[in-house]
Amino acid sequence: GAGVSQSPRYKVAKRGQDVALRCDPISGHVSLFWYQQALGQGPEFLTYFQNEAQLDKSGLPSDRFFAERPEGSVSTLKIQRTQQEDSAVYLCASSRDALFGYTFGSGTRLTVV
Amino acid sequence: AQSVSQHNHHVILSEAASLELGCNYSYGGTVNLFWYVQYPGQHLQLLLKYFSGDPLVKGIKGFEAEFIKSKFSFNLRKPSVQWSDTAEYFCAVNPAGGNMLTFGGGTRLMVKP
Repeated sequence: GAGVSQSPRYKVAKRGQDVALRCDPISGHVSLFWYQQALGQGPEFLTYFQNEAQLDKSGLPSDRFFAERPEGSVSTLKIQRTQQEDSAVYLCASSRDALFGYTFGSGTRLTVV
Repeated sequence: AQSVSQHNHHVILSEAASLELGCNYSYGGTVNLFWYVQYPGQHLQLLLKYFSGDPLVKGIKGFEAEFIKSKFSFNLRKPSVQWSDTAEYFCAVNPAGGNMLTFGGGTRLMVKP
């Protein structure tokens, strides 16, 4: 597609529930990033893929967070046993090359109640 | 690790006023610098970027930014703002050759008609 597509747009989860957030990057974009944006703050890096390889997961806040990109295109961010502090907007971005910049999706707003 | 500071959290201007938003980063090596804008209800969009060359960078919608290496700064400017510039603005950096963007906390700009 023309842009980075994320679904669902909004997700309300009960505390303790598992959630899966999907990112469909721009076709041909090798790099894919996940960011977490808490209310009133800037996006914070979670993890980075180059094709199917997860090259950096240093930003994942706990072992409840898991991301995958098995075929080098669509990526899923999974959060197990959600907690209230997981409430945030989860942004996905893709890039062909850093020189060209990064294209962001509209994000998934996760609210844990 | 690099960090980015945006000192102005909220800015309110009248139409036609001049704008300057501050951005300072901490990183000892060569960096790539970005400004992103997020209009209400929309995704992050790239305004401009600096990789090398002329430190005065022109972006879309009349925005420009100046990289001052000695001050570790990359301030965003616009000579005359419009109501449609109401948005949140994020400065971001990544190390040259790297992929991960580090964002500042954002500046929320409101332009009064």
